[in-house]
Amino acid sequence: AQKITQTQPGMFVQEKEAVTLDCTYDTSDPSYGLFWYKQPSSGEMIFLIYQGSYDQQNATEGRYSLNFQKARKSANLVISASQLGDSAMYFCAMREAGFNKFYFGSGTKLNVKP
Amino acid sequence: DAGVIQSPRHEVTEMGQEVTLRCKPISGHNSLFWYRQTMMRGLELLIYFNNNVPIDDSGMPEDRFSAKMPNASFSTLKIQPSEPRDSAVYFCASSLRENTGELFFGEGSRLTVL
Repeated sequence: AQKITQTQPGMFVQEKEAVTLDCTYDTSDPSYGLFWYKQPSSGEMIFLIYQGSYDQQNATEGRYSLNFQKARKSANLVISASQLGDSAMYFCAMREAGFNKFYFGSGTKLNVKP
Repeated sequence: DAGVIQSPRHEVTEMGQEVTLRCKPISGHNSLFWYRQTMMRGLELLIYFNNNVPIDDSGMPEDRFSAKMPNASFSTLKIQPSEPRDSAVYFCASSLRENTGELFFGEGSRLTVL
């Protein structure tokens, strides 16, 4: 079974609008972390946001927020007020605390239209 | 603070040659990961180390690949002999296991095997 599933290979959003990138995960480890990374066309991997499995509140970092629904095992990334510079590949990842192993999804390519 | 440093940034070699990729993790980090990224297969975890000890090398494609971490500040990924299908971007990432554990990525080594 896939540990991380991102079902949207590509998405378009109008500049200044909000967009949600989907991510579901699968684990039996009670302690885990969920991460989102951005990879622009230049290729570097940029850490955006983190959510711990025991965190009660959804994580937020500036225009990024993580919609964490533990029972559904989903960790969707919400980008508010999209900007042209948000056009990039976005990866969801999970770290299982037991072995400190990271799993990445296949990514979602976001295009922000002016 | 210096981030994860990888070298070389670009490598072009001929089939059958030995390739060595190098990584210097962030000082104080105790986990190190090697990933390979291609269009077809996305981000693949090759191997990771905790406290310089290899924990899981199940992602290493075959015996032509080997990785070492002789000390906390240096790791190598070696391919011998190289083949055209090894062409990819190879990322090294490090993390501090006891914290949120997010991965800090190097800029990647782009390998082209002719």
